[in-house]
Amino acid sequence: DAGITQSPRHKVTETGTPVTLRCHQTENHRYMYWYRQDPGHGLRLIHYSYGVKDTDKGEVSDGYSVSRSKTEDFLLTLESATSSQTSVYFCAISVSETGYNEQFFGPGTRLTVL
Amino acid sequence: DQQVKQNSPSLSVQEGRISILNCDYTNSMFDYFLWYKKYPAEGPTFLISISSIKDKNEDGRFTVFLNKSAKHLSLHIVPSQPGDSAVYFCAAKAAGNKLTFGGGTRVLVKP
Repeated sequence: DAGITQSPRHKVTETGTPVTLRCHQTENHRYMYWYRQDPGHGLRLIHYSYGVKDTDKGEVSDGYSVSRSKTEDFLLTLESATSSQTSVYFCAISVSETGYNEQFFGPGTRLTVL
Repeated sequence: DQQVKQNSPSLSVQEGRISILNCDYTNSMFDYFLWYKKYPAEGPTFLISISSIKDKNEDGRFTVFLNKSAKHLSLHIVPSQPGDSAVYFCAAKAAGNKLTFGGGTRVLVKP
């Protein structure tokens, strides 16, 4: 158990509203990631962080922003939610700081944008 | 352009038989490969991995094979058990700490 929690676990919101998802880890892992999972696409990286205040974009970052003010928390924000952002969102941490990268995932947040 | 592809979206196998899951990749810079298993309403869990300097890695009932010249890897599950019914993702790592995932293969093991 990598000690990753995500909140909320489920959310329904309306188009145009802001949404923030939270990922919390209980250990001081440096790398944290946000993915979205959609049928046929597997998991696609949205943003990742390699330390406090250090973040970078993934392959599907448009419409999303992130923040990491503390090692244990990584926030994903949809500034103005759209129906195309309906998805399941997973947070992950990497327990290998250098070398190989085995990522461990949280339980996910199911987001529905109406 | 998908750099990691799992061309079989689903697989059905009888309990006790072998399950073979395939994954193809296009980026020759990938140097580490992983398989994840995912049950409904849960996050993916790490299953097994292989470095590009090896061609086989085994862990209990799970074996991963890597064919670098063909840019192909496979996961063998022997013997398959009903609890193996899940979605399996392959993933690949190039430089840096980022993974690229395939689209997944849903495995159903029939009792």
